Amino acid sequence: RKEVEQDPGPFNVPEGATVAFNCTYSNSASQSFFWYRQDCRKEPKLLMSVYSSGNEDGRFTAQLNRASQYISLLIRDSKLSDSATYLCVVNTGPRNNDMRFGAGTRLTVKP
Amino acid sequence: EPEVTQTPSHQVTQMGQEVILRCVPISNHLYFYWYRQILGQKVEFLVSFYNNEISEKSEIFDDQFSVERPDGSNFTLKIRSTKLEDSAMYFCASSRQGAYGQPQHFGDGTRLSIL
Repeated sequence: RKEVEQDPGPFNVPEGATVAFNCTYSNSASQSFFWYRQDCRKEPKLLMSVYSSGNEDGRFTAQLNRASQYISLLIRDSKLSDSATYLCVVNTGPRNNDMRFGAGTRLTVKP
Repeated sequence: EPEVTQTPSHQVTQMGQEVILRCVPISNHLYFYWYRQILGQKVEFLVSFYNNEISEKSEIFDDQFSVERPDGSNFTLKIRSTKLEDSAMYFCASSRQGAYGQPQHFGDGTRLSIL
């Protein structure tokens, strides 16, 4: 089983749609979780951390289910500028040194 | 907003040559990292660095790789004898702390092409 597994997509959605991405991780000792976005041939940029209680940042909502070793990202009212690859990132802790990236889910938002 | 900067943006090198990739982490960050991303593949952890020493490295980071913080601002990755398969995007990242929950901030990368 891969350490961090994501549905590669692509997800093609119209503007204004709601889209959800899932991610599973294999190491039950994982301590912290993040969603990054990566535009084509650019660096990963932090989108949001994922907290145990779930958290929201504007149109973005992240959820964590430790029992199922599952993370999700929900994007509401998607914009053209949301088109990117979304990377699920997990670190096994306790130090922040062992970050494992999923292969990413590609999203294209169309007019 | 402070950012991680990397130079050069693109490096073309003959196979077997040494290459040094440079990074200036965010100034109040204490933990530094190198990652690579082969075209079309996922981002892979190479090494982390704290307090002037390697704190963790992956199986990719073999004897041909080394890292150094030669002064108070730069953080370098050296590849001693490059191979074709070293062609990739190399990202430097930094974080304020190493404790879990601290996100890492990435530079915009150096594209390394080995001929």
